[in-house]
Amino acid sequence: GAGVSQTPSNKVTEKGKYVELRCDPISGHTALYWYRQSLGQGPEFLIYFQGTGAADDSGLPNDRFFAVRPEGSVSTLKIQRTERGDSAVYLCASSLTGQGGYEQYFGPGTRLTVT
Amino acid sequence: GNSVTQMEGPVTLSEEAFLTINCTYTATGYPSLFWYVQYPGEGLQLLLKATKADDKGSNKGFEATYRKETTSFHLEKGSVQVSDSAVYFCALSLSNFGNEKLTFGTGTRLTIIP
Repeated sequence: GAGVSQTPSNKVTEKGKYVELRCDPISGHTALYWYRQSLGQGPEFLIYFQGTGAADDSGLPNDRFFAVRPEGSVSTLKIQRTERGDSAVYLCASSLTGQGGYEQYFGPGTRLTVT
Repeated sequence: GNSVTQMEGPVTLSEEAFLTINCTYTATGYPSLFWYVQYPGEGLQLLLKATKADDKGSNKGFEATYRKETTSFHLEKGSVQVSDSAVYFCALSLSNFGNEKLTFGTGTRLTIIP
């Protein structure tokens, strides 16, 4: 079946611009996560949705970052007034939840470059 | 806070060599532990996991044992292949319900030469 998909695969933008990154989770997965991976580092958690609500947004670095999941499926990560330090690969993952724990399935990522 | 420390890379081995990639963690409570792998040009995928002390996770010839006394989850494989070349990430989660973020180490790049 289809895995997690992310669009665009690459995004180049100028400093100060606004960008939106989209994530399509695996159908039926209630949990959705956003991570950010800088070069040579492991993924860092940004935000987690359970259904439509953000259950944990403690990883968002500042108020320029915002994410939504209005219908409990597709999610959009929004970055305002982009800075060069925002350049990274943005990863989305989805999972089922419940006793026993479930694997997080990762998408291929969106590589964001801020010039 | 919670953190994962991984063996620094890169690691280069000959085919059929024995592999160990060290991973230690710091966490409040009793985390679940994971190894994820990222093959060239592909997304992150789960390699193996262990959810409680003394559990051993295994997959594709790789093994890791959850050692609470040493707070470690070292990855091992008895005989590596060229196809094992990838970046390996150790990670932890504070939940066994799949409803908690993953905290990752920095990753270890492994290259296997024929």
